[in-house]
Amino acid sequence: QSVLTQPPSVSAAPGQKVTISCSGSSSNIADNYVSWYQQLPGAAPKLLIYDNDKRPSGIPDRFSGSKSGTSATLGITGLQTGDEADYYCGTWDSDLSDGVFGTGTKVTVL
Amino acid sequence: EVQLVQSGAEVKKPGDSLKISCQGPDYSFSSDWIGWVRQRPGKGLEWMGIIYGGDSDTRYSPSFEGQVTISADISKSTAYLQWSSLKASDTAMYYCGRIEMATFDSWGQGTQVTVSS
Repeated sequence: QSVLTQPPSVSAAPGQKVTISCSGSSSNIADNYVSWYQQLPGAAPKLLIYDNDKRPSGIPDRFSGSKSGTSATLGITGLQTGDEADYYCGTWDSDLSDGVFGTGTKVTVL
Repeated sequence: EVQLVQSGAEVKKPGDSLKISCQGPDYSFSSDWIGWVRQRPGKGLEWMGIIYGGDSDTRYSPSFEGQVTISADISKSTAYLQWSSLKASDTAMYYCGRIEMATFDSWGQGTQVTVSS
């Protein structure tokens, strides 16, 4: 049972924007950096955002991350059919001394 | 991005032992943490544990402590995940990845493990 909660699914039309929330606590999100991962169908996860809001080389600026208190948010603008995937947040939990992932969110492009 | 290559799919019976691998053919683990992640069919990602290549310091997530063994052979740039007695509930895709500040910045392609009688 994950300590980070995400909505099971979000959807929007092509070209629109979606946001995915990741809700945690003072021992994980509030106290540590958050990362976000994209998992396309049948593929391994891929790093999208690290250190709350930084993008690795090659990740388009349509993807953005932010954090406030015990919550983090991933934003995707200019939605494309190729963005249909599962998205996970992740961070460290200082109380558990363990890494944790969010419950995952499926993005559907209508 | 670091390339990590995992061993191939496995089909085993309950009670069998198994060791799967994760190799970085073009880089050395010696100054990095490598982690393992489980993904059961249709489910989310679960953090299993991590190992530091420099001294093989290993940390297990509580759910996996005593259930698996994580090891590494730096001379082969390879990390391992092993079971001494598999259960049907171990059926899953297993991913390895390089970790920097609790972030998996590179991932292997995954190893499917199927345990069935």
